[in-house]
Amino acid sequence: AQRVTQPEKLLSVFKGAPVELKCNYSYSGSPELFWYVQYSRQRLQLLLRHISRESIKGFTADLNKGETSFHLKKPFAQEEDSAMYYCALSIFQGAQKLVFGQGTRLTINP
Amino acid sequence: DAGVTQSPTHLIKTRGQQVTLRCSPKSGHDTVSWYQQALGQGPQFIFQYYEEEERQRGNFPDRFSGHQFPNYSSELNVNALLLGDSALYLCASSPYGGTNEKLFFGSGTQLSVL
Repeated sequence: AQRVTQPEKLLSVFKGAPVELKCNYSYSGSPELFWYVQYSRQRLQLLLRHISRESIKGFTADLNKGETSFHLKKPFAQEEDSAMYYCALSIFQGAQKLVFGQGTRLTINP
Repeated sequence: DAGVTQSPTHLIKTRGQQVTLRCSPKSGHDTVSWYQQALGQGPQFIFQYYEEEERQRGNFPDRFSGHQFPNYSSELNVNALLLGDSALYLCASSPYGGTNEKLFFGSGTQLSVL
């Protein structure tokens, strides 16, 4: 069965330090993975997707099929990065749907 | 463009009651998906509507039902409410019959069942 695991519910780092939010998935098909972010009092929004291989707000994520991981990284954290981050797997079962992890709350300390 | 709009923002019901939540998709979008987000959890797929029909359902009982109207707006109905139905209900819309690459979420309806 398809599953997304984010092992850290909470992550706290200092401003300027590197950040890595972990995401592992379980899926028998070809994975399509996303990172979503929810800032305080805002709606859930797409941060980046693996297929585009882009960097958004300094964040990158590389799909590692061997380790079934899609970790989100940023070399230098900023205070405005504090938010809730969700890793999501896109699957097709009659329709496209997202399978989300439990989320990681990232706090950047000044 | 107001994006995806949901109403109401908050709702309090008692066990056994029925509730209807509403969603207007982003302009140009024809597909609506509903997700349930329990406290401390990620969103969980309930079902998706396209061309006024339910296309796919997640692991939710028949107490959860929905509808899509010709203008693409959608309703989520939950009957015989249980305490465990307390959650944030998210509506998401997308174009082209549904693609997660262009999925936009609403702010959600917070449902509390007492």
